[in-house]
Amino acid sequence: AQTVTQSQPEMSVQEAETVTLSCTYDTSESNYYLFWYKQPPSRQMILVIRQEAYKQQNATENRFSVNFQKAAKSFSLKISDSQLGDTAMYFCAFMKLGSYGGATNKLIFGTGTLLAVQP
Amino acid sequence: NAGVTQTPKFQVLKTGQSMTLQCAQDMNHEYMSWYRQDPGMGLRLIHYSVGAGITDQGEVPNGYNVSRSTTEDFPLRLLSAAPSQTSVYFCASSYGQTFNSPLHFGNGTRLTVT
Repeated sequence: AQTVTQSQPEMSVQEAETVTLSCTYDTSESNYYLFWYKQPPSRQMILVIRQEAYKQQNATENRFSVNFQKAAKSFSLKISDSQLGDTAMYFCAFMKLGSYGGATNKLIFGTGTLLAVQP
Repeated sequence: NAGVTQTPKFQVLKTGQSMTLQCAQDMNHEYMSWYRQDPGMGLRLIHYSVGAGITDQGEVPNGYNVSRSTTEDFPLRLLSAAPSQTSVYFCASSYGQTFNSPLHFGNGTRLTVT
């Protein structure tokens, strides 16, 4: 079975600084998808960034980027130029592929990291 | 465009009562799923559906039933509520293969079982 571990329950960063959230996972699959979701106090789940395991290149989305280390099974999220609106719970998630190689729509989530951006 | 709509937003039940959490989406999404969120445990998949008439179990299906009679609706039924089912429940949907069509989440239902 797959597991996702986020070892930092809480983190704090000053506005405009950079912060990295850690995520490790365990799987015997060779191909899969990885995601970071953000959950602000509104409780809405928002996709931040996603990575296909067979792609070596790290995904980036504006101020958000990942450091994907497949051999180490590590998928960290870097937030640059942190903004007050980045304050949220961040979840790392894993998705294995189905029998025919497509997505399964079944996510396995980590326990989350609560990020507070300080003014 | 309403997206994924969950009702009710809050609910309190007594042990042994039954109820249905409603989920509707207006995006013609094939995939729908239910997760529960508990403190310190992240989100866990309860049940999911890949299309009308097709459902399957997730990680924590015990105590819950689902059906998918239409593309739009995916209700979650608690047959006999237990305090262990106190949680926040999220419904999610996507158009097709989830990587290319990210999950859209509803705003959640906070359920308390006393």
